[in-house]
Amino acid sequence: NAGVTQTPKFQVLKTGQSMTLQCAQDMNHEYMSWYRQDPGMGLRLIHYSVGAGITDQGEVPNGYNVSRSTTEDFPLRLLSAAPSQTSVYFCASRYGGSGNTIYFGEGSWLTVV
Amino acid sequence: AQTVTQSQPEMSVQEAETVTLSCTYDTSENNYYLFWYKQPPSRQMILVIRQEAYKQQNATENRFSVNFQKAAKSFSLKISDSQLGDTAMYFCAFRTPTTQGAQKLVFGQGTRLTINP
Repeated sequence: NAGVTQTPKFQVLKTGQSMTLQCAQDMNHEYMSWYRQDPGMGLRLIHYSVGAGITDQGEVPNGYNVSRSTTEDFPLRLLSAAPSQTSVYFCASRYGGSGNTIYFGEGSWLTVV
Repeated sequence: AQTVTQSQPEMSVQEAETVTLSCTYDTSENNYYLFWYKQPPSRQMILVIRQEAYKQQNATENRFSVNFQKAAKSFSLKISDSQLGDTAMYFCAFRTPTTQGAQKLVFGQGTRLTINP
């Protein structure tokens, strides 16, 4: 049971490039989400999914796309990277039931130059 | 708007001492969940303790306990017998069952806690 796995751990992009951050969980969690953490701040919700085939926007969705074709995977796509997207990205998941705890992956450090 | 405020940007205590981290929040919801997460230098987000708003009894997890005051919208974390491994950034967070699929955790700004030997 690996929990929530994110790849890559570190990435440097040039402005305008696109890339995908991968997230996989092996806990059969229905709910998955992506957060970003900027320096000196808590995490903010980018996008989330309540099940395969269902996604929705969070607090800061601009510049990002997501899809959920399987229960296990929830990739985050940066369409055209900008320096403002330099951040640490966290994938998270939980079981259904609104009170269940959200578990986080180890984070992906992204720098856009 | 739902907000979380941590008024102590940094704290420092000696090993084995007790330390309390403060957190206040604002929400118009009556049903919600409160959390303390620990983030060590590795940046991993680790759940320390959680509290359901409908429970009057304060949550405890070994050396960690909370003082939940619902009317005051206060949720402080007490760490007893502090250890060097407790050194980390601590985030207070809450979420409601109705906000963005119950996925949106609202975080405070964090308190950087240092345990000195």
